[in-house]
Amino acid sequence: EAQVTQNPRYLITVTGKKLTVTCSQNMNHEYMSWYRQDPGLGLRQIYYSMNVEVTDKGDVPEGYKVSRKEKRNFPLILESPSPNQTSLYFCASSFLGSGSQETQYFGPGTRLLVL
Amino acid sequence: TQLLEQSPQFLSIQEGENLTVYCNSSSVFSSLQWYRQEPGEGPVLLVTVVTGGEVKKLKRLTFQFGDARKDSSLHITAAQPGDTGLYLCAGARETSYDKVIFGPGTSLSVIP
Repeated sequence: EAQVTQNPRYLITVTGKKLTVTCSQNMNHEYMSWYRQDPGLGLRQIYYSMNVEVTDKGDVPEGYKVSRKEKRNFPLILESPSPNQTSLYFCASSFLGSGSQETQYFGPGTRLLVL
Repeated sequence: TQLLEQSPQFLSIQEGENLTVYCNSSSVFSSLQWYRQEPGEGPVLLVTVVTGGEVKKLKRLTFQFGDARKDSSLHITAAQPGDTGLYLCAGARETSYDKVIFGPGTSLSVIP
C-alpha cells in the first residue's frame, strides 16, 4: 500500500530534550516536506527536500533540522524543543512535477506536546 | 501575514443544504489545490486548478479558479454528513511547488 508513515504519532517531552520524528514514504517520491498545523494558522511549511541531500527552508524553519540521506526517509529533528513547538506535525511527499502542483500525500500526523 | 485567506472559518449546516467556501489572496498563484482533512488524519487532495476561470466538478463538489488566479471557490451541493471536515486551499506561488502556501482552512460540519 502506497503511504507516508510517521513515528511517533504522539509525543510528550520536556523543554530542551532532543527528539526526532521519522517520516518514510514508499512511493519513490523525490519531493518531501514537513508542515506544522496550528489552530487558525493552517499548515505552515517547515522544511522541504527536492531530492537526496537537497533540503531547503520553508516558512517556519527556526528550531528545526532535517536531513535527506535516503530518498524514502526525511526525519525532522528538534535539537532543543521549546513549548512554542507544541503542534501537530505532518510529513508529505510527491513526485517532482513540471509546472502545476503535484499531489502531495500526507502522513497521519504527529502530535507533539513540549512541557 | 496569511497570503491565503479562507472564509468562512467555521460553517455548520443541515444535511441537504448547499454551501460555498472561498479562498482569497492578493497574490497570483500558478495553480491552486483544495484538500479535505478529517480529524486525526492528514489532508487528502480533492482537486488542482491551473487555468484562470477554470471550473472542475467532482460529483457534488464544484471548484472554480478566479480569472486573475488570485482566488478560488468550492461549492458543495446537497451536503451530506460525510462532507464534514476541514477544507484547505493551497497555492503554488511560482511554477515550481517548492513554495506551497496553505490557507487556514474552513471547518465544515454537516448535521444529519
